[in-house]
Amino acid sequence: EDKVVQSPLSLVVHEGDTVTLNCSYEVTNFRSLLWYKQEKKAPTFLFMLTSSGIEKKSGRLSSILDKKELFSILNITATQTGDSAVYLCAVMGNAGKSTFGDGTTLTVKP
Amino acid sequence: ETGVTQTPRHLVMGMTNKKSLKCEQHLGHNAMYWYKQSAKKPLELMFVYNFKEQTENNSVPSRFSPECPNSSHLFLHLHTLQPEDSALYLCASSQEASNGYTFGSGTRLTVV
Repeated sequence: EDKVVQSPLSLVVHEGDTVTLNCSYEVTNFRSLLWYKQEKKAPTFLFMLTSSGIEKKSGRLSSILDKKELFSILNITATQTGDSAVYLCAVMGNAGKSTFGDGTTLTVKP
Repeated sequence: ETGVTQTPRHLVMGMTNKKSLKCEQHLGHNAMYWYKQSAKKPLELMFVYNFKEQTENNSVPSRFSPECPNSSHLFLHLHTLQPEDSALYLCASSQEASNGYTFGSGTRLTVV
């Protein structure tokens, strides 16, 4: 059975801190790993990772994949209160099959 | 708006009712999905349609019935639901089945 485990489940930091969110997986037929941010309803797409060792970056967010050790990390530097959200990791297999982790709830305090 | 529109936003239905959820995407994507998000549980994939053909059905009870008349529209027909079916139902689309999704805002369903 495919499995995606995110850690920590929740995290409280102060503005300006740097956070690292983890996602480990065990899936058959790996195609890609995706990170999403979910604030109220619709998760919004952050990154798609398919190759090991290539960092994807968008502003203060960055992510990298290790296909040998089967994990990915999402880094957020200089956190702001607007970064408070649930961060979801999902692994995509063949034919659109996807497995999501439980998410990490990040709270950034002023 | 993300380009994926879901209606209604909220729905309360009795266990004997029949209702439908609607999803529409104007992104030119080829694949559409239904997901269920319950409290304190990860997102659960329900159905996948690729070029209007259903390619995945993750052991979803028959009281949920999907319909994909064309690549831009997706429905989820509901009948004789149970209170435990109360959840946020999210529609998503992607250009290809393994690419990143664009999600709709979801329908918050309450079964009473």
